[in-house]
Amino acid sequence: DTGVSQNPRHKITKRGQNVTFRCDPISEHNRLYWYRQTLGQGPEFLTYFQNEAQLEKSRLLSDRFSAERPKGSFSTLEIQRTEQGDSAMYLCASSSSYSEQYFGPGTRLTVT
Amino acid sequence: DQQVKQNSPSLSVQEGRISILNCDYTNSMFDYFLWYKKYPAEGPTFLISISSIKDKNEDGRFTVFLNKSAKHLSLHIVPSQPGDSAVYFCAATSGNTPLVFGKGTRLSVIA
Repeated sequence: DTGVSQNPRHKITKRGQNVTFRCDPISEHNRLYWYRQTLGQGPEFLTYFQNEAQLEKSRLLSDRFSAERPKGSFSTLEIQRTEQGDSAMYLCASSSSYSEQYFGPGTRLTVT
Repeated sequence: DQQVKQNSPSLSVQEGRISILNCDYTNSMFDYFLWYKKYPAEGPTFLISISSIKDKNEDGRFTVFLNKSAKHLSLHIVPSQPGDSAVYFCAATSGNTPLVFGKGTRLSVIA
């Protein structure tokens, strides 16, 4: 399977804890995106990388959120001091072309 | 400000009939539009796209129509099948900007 993979698929954490998610893009894709989706909404853009450079960050990405893509391969998204409002599905997508992005299965985060 | 709007939260269609999902956008800078399908507990799956230089793109049972003057696009599925039951998201972009998604329309195809 050469699709986008994300780990873990589910994460339950207590408020105030830190969590980290991983995304492995399709190998030949140089662009990698993070989105967040809450119930009843479409995916909302968080940040994106071209190779290892983080090119854009949404206003949704508070200073508790940080993303990295070392060596332009996999990416991690860390949320520090989680809050209940962070509960959502975190989606990763990758692309190599102008616009078609291919999504991973997502990581569902529940903050209790 | 919702730049991409899907005003119908849900749609029910009989198997074999046509499903028409609609999407409106407000940003005239958008020049590329995509439809994604999403099953529960999975990520969105790319379905079909259209560039603003075209007004129609077809792929098998799926056709997307773009009306730039009305800032409207629609996805037609013919014939609809029970496996098409899912949430459909419309998305738009301009240049290299990230995708902007609508809230989705839940399609139920009834056998």
